[in-house]
Amino acid sequence: EAGVVQSPRYKIIEKKQPVAFWCNPISGHNTLYWYLQNLGQGPELLIRYENEEAVDDSQLPKDRFSAERLKGVDSTLKIQPAELGDSAVYLCASSLTGVNTGELFFGEGSRLTVL
Amino acid sequence: GQSLEQPSEVTAVEGAIVQINCTYQTSGFYGLSWYQQHDGGAPTFLSYNALDGLEETGRFSSFLSRSDSYGYLLLQELQMKDSASYFCAVSAYNQGGKLIFGQGTELSVKP
Repeated sequence: EAGVVQSPRYKIIEKKQPVAFWCNPISGHNTLYWYLQNLGQGPELLIRYENEEAVDDSQLPKDRFSAERLKGVDSTLKIQPAELGDSAVYLCASSLTGVNTGELFFGEGSRLTVL
Repeated sequence: GQSLEQPSEVTAVEGAIVQINCTYQTSGFYGLSWYQQHDGGAPTFLSYNALDGLEETGRFSSFLSRSDSYGYLLLQELQMKDSASYFCAVSAYNQGGKLIFGQGTELSVKP
């Protein structure tokens, strides 16, 4: 069974440019999460989807970040315009809805460098 | 609010036992999870405790005391490949499967 797939794995852009990250969760996992991880820190939640509905986006900086999950499967996270401080790893995770086992399945992340 | 504390780094030798502690303050606490992350890799799930006591999975065990808001991850028979960052994470009622992560403990295993 395929795990959570993210792309691109690495992205280098100049500040003020836009960037987008894509995530394909594990088949059957209706809950999808985007986390941000700075170097040497733990992951921080940006947004949580249940199916196509964003049920927790309180930590998403909405002035420059947006996310969508149009058909309740794949998701895209966009930053426009990017700032130097956005350099980080963007992790996508998925889980079964309504099952709280403490287990999220993470992708390998998209590492963003803003110059 | 929610906060977690764990040591920033721990060093141990191959074959030894190491314990990584985690204290938390969480409204509506539901459970404590542990994740392992190698450099450049994905966080991977190790264990989960919702009830007090010890959970054992091979060389790894995890403990929870809800009354003390405290847990630990115990790694036995350390191997070089165990060198990684270890994160505790809490889940809370009415938060779906959302996890709040600690800052991580970097474990270095020496020969």
